[in-house]
Amino acid sequence: DQQVKQNSPSLSVQEGRISILNCDYTNSMFDYFLWYKKYPAEGPTFLISISSIKDKNEDGRFTVFLNKSAKHLSLHIVPSQPGDSAVYFCAAIWSGNTGKLIFGQGTTLQVKP
Amino acid sequence: NAGVMQNPRHLVRRRGQEARLRCSPMKGHSHVYWYRQLPEEGLKFMVYLQKENIIDESGMPKERFSAEFPKEGPSILRIQQVVRGDSAAYFCASSPQGNSNQPQHFGDGTRLSIL
Repeated sequence: DQQVKQNSPSLSVQEGRISILNCDYTNSMFDYFLWYKKYPAEGPTFLISISSIKDKNEDGRFTVFLNKSAKHLSLHIVPSQPGDSAVYFCAAIWSGNTGKLIFGQGTTLQVKP
Repeated sequence: NAGVMQNPRHLVRRRGQEARLRCSPMKGHSHVYWYRQLPEEGLKFMVYLQKENIIDESGMPKERFSAEFPKEGPSILRIQQVVRGDSAAYFCASSPQGNSNQPQHFGDGTRLSIL
């Protein structure tokens, strides 16, 4: 039962353009969402998060949008840089459930110079 | 380095042996989560521990797997009688509070290979 889904295994964009990574979830109890970035042979690194009471959160080049009615969130990276090439994981928390993260399968982003 | 420390980084075991994976949380963090990543998949929650207590082990396989977080020392994930299917990357994360929205900080993982 995949409660958090990232349906695009990979994405390739040109340097300087926008990268849009998508994530869907099924559990309406989730109230907090996070994006993590992961390089090979390293652990996930926290990028940005959003509470379910908001629809947008921005931090520098990274913006996360949440559409609760569609149970959908997206991560926008503008402008994309070659160093952004990594695997991006969407994760969700139900704060009444011990805080464990429920991860999507990940999307591999390649930013071409 | 005040981050989450995991060791060993790589561990090779033969079928039937035991594997012990260690995790030292960030300084000041008393909540530890273990996750497993199988090839080509996302991370899956295994267990959540506070000092000396297992809070949530709903993601742990029923047999052969155990975890502890003693009062002193690192958290240990123990796998007895390993099988090929245990080959995976095991990640530990820590946070200063449990049951909260504070981001968890991850170690670089232990890659377990079963021969």
